[in-house]
Amino acid sequence: EIVLTQSPGTLSLSPGERATLSCRASQSVSSSYLAWYQQKPGQAPRLLIYGASSRATGIPDRFSGSGSGTDFTLTISRLEPEDFAVYYCQQYGTSPLTFGPGTKVDIK
Amino acid sequence: QLQLQESGPGLVKPSETLSLTCTVSGGSISSGSYYWGWIRQPPGKGLEWIGSFQYSGNTYYNPSLKSRVTISVDTSKNQFSLRLSSVTAADTAVYYCARPGFCGGTSCYMRSWFDPWGQGTLVTVSS
Repeated sequence: EIVLTQSPGTLSLSPGERATLSCRASQSVSSSYLAWYQQKPGQAPRLLIYGASSRATGIPDRFSGSGSGTDFTLTISRLEPEDFAVYYCQQYGTSPLTFGPGTKVDIK
Repeated sequence: QLQLQESGPGLVKPSETLSLTCTVSGGSISSGSYYWGWIRQPPGKGLEWIGSFQYSGNTYYNPSLKSRVTISVDTSKNQFSLRLSSVTAADTAVYYCARPGFCGGTSCYMRSWFDPWGQGTLVTVSS
């Protein structure tokens, strides 16, 4: 099973700042099959990025994904008030499908 | 627009079987080669994939739950269901149904991201 580790656990930033979130896999994620989700309290996760760098339909271009192998990054170029949430990565290159523990982005 | 909605008891006793249903609207479970899946999230914790199935018969479960999980489908109601046996407090979670979205040509793949998701339903295991 591929174990995903996300860092930092919590990121405290102000609106307008840049957020950089990390997802590291215990072994290489084949074909960069990595997705990112945003989750707000009481809501289901929302797909942001798939294939490590492809934005899902309707996702603003301030969200971008990069990386390959074992190291992946989600970048939010300029935080908007609605971006404060928990972000999860998920690998789908190998079964079982696994998720990271999440990074909380909160308001500084 | 495809929508998924979970339903089922919010409270289950230890050692009993948890049963949930996902109703799909805006699309047919039996059309195309899409997979359909279940994911859960214990309160305040991360996400865990439970299993995914394809109408044609392919079913995959997380090995950590495989001995206790069954996913089935009722095409007449456009629903699919989750059964988790011998539950304990560790099975207390919000349970989501979702559709794996990775498709290419006429084929879809179990190993996929999930989109869309249902709103989730909290199941508490307690006597």
